[in-house]
Amino acid sequence: AQKVTQAQTEISVVEKEDVTLDCVYETRDTTYYLFWYKQPPSGELVFLIRRNSFDEQNEISGRYSWNFQKSTSSFNFTITASQVVDSAVYFCALSEKGNTGGFKTIFGAGTRLFVKA
Amino acid sequence: DSGVTQTPKHLITATGQRVTLRCSPRSGDLSVYWYQQSLDQGLQFLIQYYNGEERAKGNILERFSAQQFPDLHSELNLSSLELGDSALYFCASSVGAGTTDTQYFGPGTRLTVL
Repeated sequence: AQKVTQAQTEISVVEKEDVTLDCVYETRDTTYYLFWYKQPPSGELVFLIRRNSFDEQNEISGRYSWNFQKSTSSFNFTITASQVVDSAVYFCALSEKGNTGGFKTIFGAGTRLFVKA
Repeated sequence: DSGVTQTPKHLITATGQRVTLRCSPRSGDLSVYWYQQSLDQGLQFLIQYYNGEERAKGNILERFSAQQFPDLHSELNLSSLELGDSALYFCASSVGAGTTDTQYFGPGTRLTVL
C-alpha cells in the first residue's frame, strides 16, 4: 500500500538559513510520481514540483532544490537562504495508477515551516 | 489566481443534511480532482474525473458522490453529513488525465457541519 511519511511536524528557522524537509514514501508500483505542494497561511495549495519514478535527477529551481533517492525511497526538499515568505505547510505526495486508468494521490501529513525574520 | 473557481466559499449546515460543492476548472482543462483537508485526516484525494468519466478513486466515502458535466464543471455531493465531514474541500484541474500534468487548485470550500 502507498504511504508517505513526513516525520518533521514543525520546523523553525531564522531567515537566510537553509532548511531541508524530509519525505519518505512506500509503494509497490514501479511507476509512480512524487510531488511537493506548498500551503501558505492564506490556505490555497500551490504545486511546486513533480518527479516520476524513472527520473532520479535532482532538480534546482531558484532557492528550491529536490533530492530524489530511490534507494532510500526519499524525496527531500531543500530551501536555500530561507525567507519569511517561505513560511507555510509543505506537503509531499505520491501518485500511483488508480483502478480506472487515472492516478490516485496520497499526501503526507505536512511539515509546517516557520521562518523568522 | 489559479483559474479554478469553487463555490460556495463557506458552507454551514447541520448533521444529516446534504450539500453540493461546485468546481469550474481552468479553461481547457479536462480533468477535475477533489480533495478533502481536515484536522483528523489531513489532506486526502477523493476522486478524479476526466472529460466526464471517473478516472481514479481515493478515500471517498459512499455518502459522497461526484460527477463532471459536459461543460466540464464538477459537483461533489455530500449526504447524511456528520460532524467529521467538516473540512476544507479543494478542487483541482489539469489538462490531461495522468500526473504528467500540473494540477491547479481552487481556493477551496470550507464546510462546517454543526
